[in-house]
Amino acid sequence: AQTVTQSQPEMSVQEAETVTLSCTYDTSENNYYLFWYKQPPSRQMILVIRQEAYKQQNATENRFSVNFQKAAKSFSLKISDSQLGDTAMYFCAFMKLLGGATNKLIFGTGTLLAVQP
Amino acid sequence: GAVVSQHPSWVICKSGTSVKIECRSLDFQATTMFWYRQFPKQSLMLMATSNEGSKATYEQGVEKDKFLINHASLTLSTLTVTSAHPEDSSFYICSARIRVGELFFGEGSRLTVL
Repeated sequence: AQTVTQSQPEMSVQEAETVTLSCTYDTSENNYYLFWYKQPPSRQMILVIRQEAYKQQNATENRFSVNFQKAAKSFSLKISDSQLGDTAMYFCAFMKLLGGATNKLIFGTGTLLAVQP
Repeated sequence: GAVVSQHPSWVICKSGTSVKIECRSLDFQATTMFWYRQFPKQSLMLMATSNEGSKATYEQGVEKDKFLINHASLTLSTLTVTSAHPEDSSFYICSARIRVGELFFGEGSRLTVL
């Protein structure tokens, strides 16, 4: 069974600074997706970034980038130039590629990020 | 991005009554939708996978008779909490699969059982 671990329950960063959120996972699969989702106080789940395991290049989306280390099964999220609107709970998630439409997301326990003015 | 809508966003009911929550994909067809439950300051726990035109697949420990899931069309899945009790109070979230590796989430529904 797959597991996702986020070892940082809470983190804090000053506005405009850079912060890195950690995520490790365990799987015997070779092909899978990894995600970072953001859940602000509104509780709407928002996709931040997605990484396909078969791609060696780290995914980036504007101020958000990942450090994907497949061998180490590590998938950290870096937020550059942190903004107050980045304050949210961040969830790391895993989905295996094979298995079709019923593939489900497995979430980590989340990291609560507070951006301080 | 694609839009998934949940209704109601907040519902209060008396203990013993049943409550239905709807999840709609507004601009795409979803053969598969997922229902999650989230307690305060905790992660999302998958309850069941809803498949259009067939029975839902429930996760271990989730009571099928208590949490009825129906996926009668390609754009609508419903979760009915039957004979609700205070311990069923929670935040319920649905997601819909648009393509492999791509899911969109509804806004969530907060259930309070008195």
